[in-house]
Amino acid sequence: ELKVEQNPLFLSMQEGKNYTIYCNYSTTSDRLYWYRQDPGKSLESLFVLLSNGAVKQEGRLMASLDTKARLSTLHITAAVHDLSATYFCAVDIGDNNDMRFGAGTRLTVKP
Amino acid sequence: NAGVMQNPRHLVRRRGQEARLRCSPMKGHSHVYWYRQLPEEGLKFMVYLQKENIIDESGMPKERFSAEFPKEGPSILRIQQVVRGDSAAYFCASSLTTGLHYEQYFGPGTRLTVT
Repeated sequence: ELKVEQNPLFLSMQEGKNYTIYCNYSTTSDRLYWYRQDPGKSLESLFVLLSNGAVKQEGRLMASLDTKARLSTLHITAAVHDLSATYFCAVDIGDNNDMRFGAGTRLTVKP
Repeated sequence: NAGVMQNPRHLVRRRGQEARLRCSPMKGHSHVYWYRQLPEEGLKFMVYLQKENIIDESGMPKERFSAEFPKEGPSILRIQQVVRGDSAAYFCASSLTTGLHYEQYFGPGTRLTVT
């Protein structure tokens, strides 16, 4: 059975600090997605990682993918309050773009 | 280009009633995916459809749930005889096609409350 595990599930950090969210998955996949969800809202696509070694950055967020280790990371640099949200990774498991999601990391950035 | 549309946004049903959730994919998209999100949890895949075909329904409960994506009109997720445990947010997503360079775009979700 495919497992997509994120950790931590809850993260409280102060503004200005750095932190990394991890996403491990149990099946072979060359595609991994990161999404952001604000309370009561839909999912906003952050990153699409398509190959081993892929690294993408947008503002204070940087995502990377290691397909051999079946690991993706989402690194937060100098956190600000606006980054408070739940972050999901999702693994593409086949030709149909079937995705399986992690449980999410609920990030709270405190002043 | 309008995004993925879902309606209703909020739906309240009493136990035993039927719930119908609609999803209109982005223009030109022929692939639709339905997900369920229980409170405080991640999204769980339910079903993947193309026009007039169910491609993968491995995440659908065996009873009371059905989905369709007709040649014309929106995709429908139908839940018969709802129970309290069906209360959740239901998201649909659409994609232009499958393959390496295409991703799913999510609608705003329908929040179903069963009383």
